Amino acid sequence: AQTVTQSQPEMSVQEAETVTLSCTYDTSESDYYLFWYKQPPSRQMILVIRQEAYKQQNATENRFSVNFQKAAKSFSLKISDSQLGDAAMYFCAYRSALTQGGSEKLVFGKGTKLTVNP
Amino acid sequence: NAGVMQNPRHLVRRRGQEARLRCSPMKGHSHVYWYRQLPEEGLKFMVYLQKENIIDESGMPKERFSAEFPKEGPSILRIQQVVRGDSAAYFCASSTIVKNTEAFFGQGTRLTVV
Repeated sequence: AQTVTQSQPEMSVQEAETVTLSCTYDTSESDYYLFWYKQPPSRQMILVIRQEAYKQQNATENRFSVNFQKAAKSFSLKISDSQLGDAAMYFCAYRSALTQGGSEKLVFGKGTKLTVNP
Repeated sequence: NAGVMQNPRHLVRRRGQEARLRCSPMKGHSHVYWYRQLPEEGLKFMVYLQKENIIDESGMPKERFSAEFPKEGPSILRIQQVVRGDSAAYFCASSTIVKNTEAFFGQGTRLTVV
């Protein structure tokens, strides 16, 4: 079974600075997807960024980018120019591309609580 | 285009009562996933349903929990004889029939068992 580990329960960053959130995962599969989700106090799960394992290029979405190291099974999220609205729980998630019976379930890490200081 | 709608947002039940959580997927979505989030934890997969079919229930507790997604109407997650350990946030996500597309989440139902 796949597992996702986020080793930083909490992180803090000054407004306008850069922060990196860590994520490692364990799988024997070669084809899969990785995600970062943001969960603000409203509880809404918001997709931040997505990476296909077969793509060597790291995904970017505006101020959010990832460092995907497939051999090391590492998938970190970098937030540049941090804003107060970035404060939230961030969850790393894994999804197999080999869908057994069509199930595309996500496996989540325990999350990292990000605080942004003004 | 309304997103995934879950209701109620908050539900309080006494021990031994039944809890019914509803999820209306996004328009055009026929696949529904239920996840549970315990305090200070990530989301954990419970069950995956298509219309009138349970496809994967590998994450469902063996007793007291059931789920359905009828041909008409919302998906229902039902918890019978609730216990304090069932207190959690329950999330629903929906997706289309097309493989490897994004699943969209609802805002969750916070169940509190007193």
